[in-house]
Amino acid sequence: AQSVTQLGSHVSVSEGALVLLRCNYSSSVPPYLFWYVQYPNQGLQLLLKYTTGATLVKGINGFEAEFKKSETSFHLTKPSAHMSDAAEYFCAVSEKGNNRLAFGKGNQVVVIP
Amino acid sequence: GAGVSQSPSNKVTEKGKDVELRCDPISGHTALYWYRQRLGQGLEFLIYFQGNSAPDKSGLPSDRFSAERTGESVSTLTIQRTQQEDSAVYLCASSFGGLAGGGNIQYFGAGTRLSVL
Repeated sequence: AQSVTQLGSHVSVSEGALVLLRCNYSSSVPPYLFWYVQYPNQGLQLLLKYTTGATLVKGINGFEAEFKKSETSFHLTKPSAHMSDAAEYFCAVSEKGNNRLAFGKGNQVVVIP
Repeated sequence: GAGVSQSPSNKVTEKGKDVELRCDPISGHTALYWYRQRLGQGLEFLIYFQGNSAPDKSGLPSDRFSAERTGESVSTLTIQRTQQEDSAVYLCASSFGGLAGGGNIQYFGAGTRLSVL
């Protein structure tokens, strides 16, 4: 069964600083990996996904993530944080043959001016 | 609208009452999912519908939970004899079912916040 680990429920970052959110997964087969963002009182919005091919994936709003099979990781980064990046971020995994998503517990990002 | 629509947005109920939550998926999406988000937790999978196939109910936490879907349209999640631990945000998502197992982008509604007193 697949599972996802996101450490640090709350992450504070200064405006203009690097955003780094860590995601590690376990999966018995090659995974599909996703990052979603949730703004207050809204549904989840897809930031980016990895299915096959290039391991560095670029998403919306300047975010990117790199799939590292040897480390079973899919960390999310953004070079320079904006105030508008304050939200909750979820890493998720699904497996071929199984459409359900398994989510991490999320990271609440606070951007400090 | 173009997105996944859920109603009601908020529901307050008394312990022991039944509740029904509704989800309108994006038109043309054959797959529909229900998830539960409890405070401080990630999303937990509840149930998945794909076209006319038998639904995957493996995430339903108890027999008090059930869900139905009419064709490829509206779905209702029913919780009978609600308990306080059922308090959560219930999120619905839909997707195209085209990719053979996995990789489909799921589009989420804003959720129904259920509070059981």
